[in-house]
Amino acid sequence: DIVMTQTPLSLSVTPGQPASISCKSSESLLNSGGKTYFYWYLQRPGQSPQLLIYEISSRFSGVPDRFSGSGSGTDFTLKISRVEADDVGVYYCMQGKQLPTFGQGTKVEIK
Amino acid sequence: EVQLVESGGGLVQPGGSLRLSCAASGFTFSSKWMSWARQAPGKGLEWVANIKQDGSEGNYVDSVKGRFTISRDNAKNSLYLQMNSLRAADTAVYYCARGWGIDIWGQGTMVTVSS
Repeated sequence: DIVMTQTPLSLSVTPGQPASISCKSSESLLNSGGKTYFYWYLQRPGQSPQLLIYEISSRFSGVPDRFSGSGSGTDFTLKISRVEADDVGVYYCMQGKQLPTFGQGTKVEIK
Repeated sequence: EVQLVESGGGLVQPGGSLRLSCAASGFTFSSKWMSWARQAPGKGLEWVANIKQDGSEGNYVDSVKGRFTISRDNAKNSLYLQMNSLRAADTAVYYCARGWGIDIWGQGTMVTVSS
């Protein structure tokens, strides 16, 4: 199984400031077809998860452009350019190269 | 609007069985891999199982292999998860989800395994 490791596990951010979450996979997520099936999700308190970013850097429908994804191979990053109160929740990374596995989650709160 | 609505959760004794259902709407169900994922109370997300578009292939996380069976009925736009030999460790909110790389999640249904 591919193990996904997120850092940090919690983050306290001042509104308007940037935030960054890292996710590392135990092996490269680049497949033989040249695609990387790597995703970021946000689970707001009391809600289901929602997709933010797919295939490393593509924003899902309706996701604000203050969210951006980057990385390659085994190292990936989610950046929020200016954190808003609505961004509070737990962020998860997930790989889909093999049977899906999630990171442990990063809890983001507002200072 | 794309929608996934789970049902069938509840309280069951250890060793018991439960069948979850998911009603899909707003997209061509038969063209998508479908998945089940779960979240134990206060814990993170765990992928549980997925099934190919035509139902010919299913995959499972090791902890449920031999106990859970995923299936689908494309004529009814429905996804199912038959859960047998349930354990306390299976207690979780179970989410129906679209895709292998999940893009849409249902609201979840709670399964509690306890005596």
